Amino acid sequence: AQSVTQLDSQVPVFEEAPVELRCNYSSSVSVYLFWYVQYPNQGLQLLLKYLSGSTLVKGINGFEAEFNKSQTSFHLRKPSVHISDTAEYFCAVIRMDTGRRALTFGSGTRLQVQP
Amino acid sequence: NAGVTQTPKFQVLKTGQSMTLQCAQDMNHEYMSWYRQDPGMGLRLIHYSVGAGITDQGEVPNGYNVSRSTTEDFPLRLLSAAPSQTSVYFCASSYSMGAQFFGPGTRLTVL
Repeated sequence: AQSVTQLDSQVPVFEEAPVELRCNYSSSVSVYLFWYVQYPNQGLQLLLKYLSGSTLVKGINGFEAEFNKSQTSFHLRKPSVHISDTAEYFCAVIRMDTGRRALTFGSGTRLQVQP
Repeated sequence: NAGVTQTPKFQVLKTGQSMTLQCAQDMNHEYMSWYRQDPGMGLRLIHYSVGAGITDQGEVPNGYNVSRSTTEDFPLRLLSAAPSQTSVYFCASSYSMGAQFFGPGTRLTVL
């Protein structure tokens, strides 16, 4: 079985400050890793993904994430946030050993950017 | 391209009623799936399909049926609605192990 843990349900931060949203996963097999963003009353949009290769992955809107296999983590970072980054962020994984592309999601982190 | 579309956007049902949530994609994606989103629980997989004529259960399939007669469409049927099915439902599609594209969601309330 696999699970995804997002350690913080809410993260308040001031505009232009750096932010890190934490994600840890547990799986008996290797996984693909994703971060999605959900703006209020909208669907989910892919921010970035790790499938293989460099462990530092850059995504849209200035976000990046680093895959750490030994710590089974995939934390999301942004050096300077904007008000428009206020949203809910979801970490998700897909097992590599099957053709099943079902995403297992974490419970989400609500990023609240304050002026 | 319209991407992934879902109808209706909002729906209110009474306990015991049935209905179908519609999902369509115009990207020729072979993989489609349905998730439900509940507060504090992220999204959970209900059913998925790897191609026309092929469907399988996800994490929370009870009370829901699906079929996939065409590549484009993947409707989700609630057979006898229950208050526990009050949720926001998202349909998604993908062509590879990469990005899944999500629809805008259907907000369902069961009274």
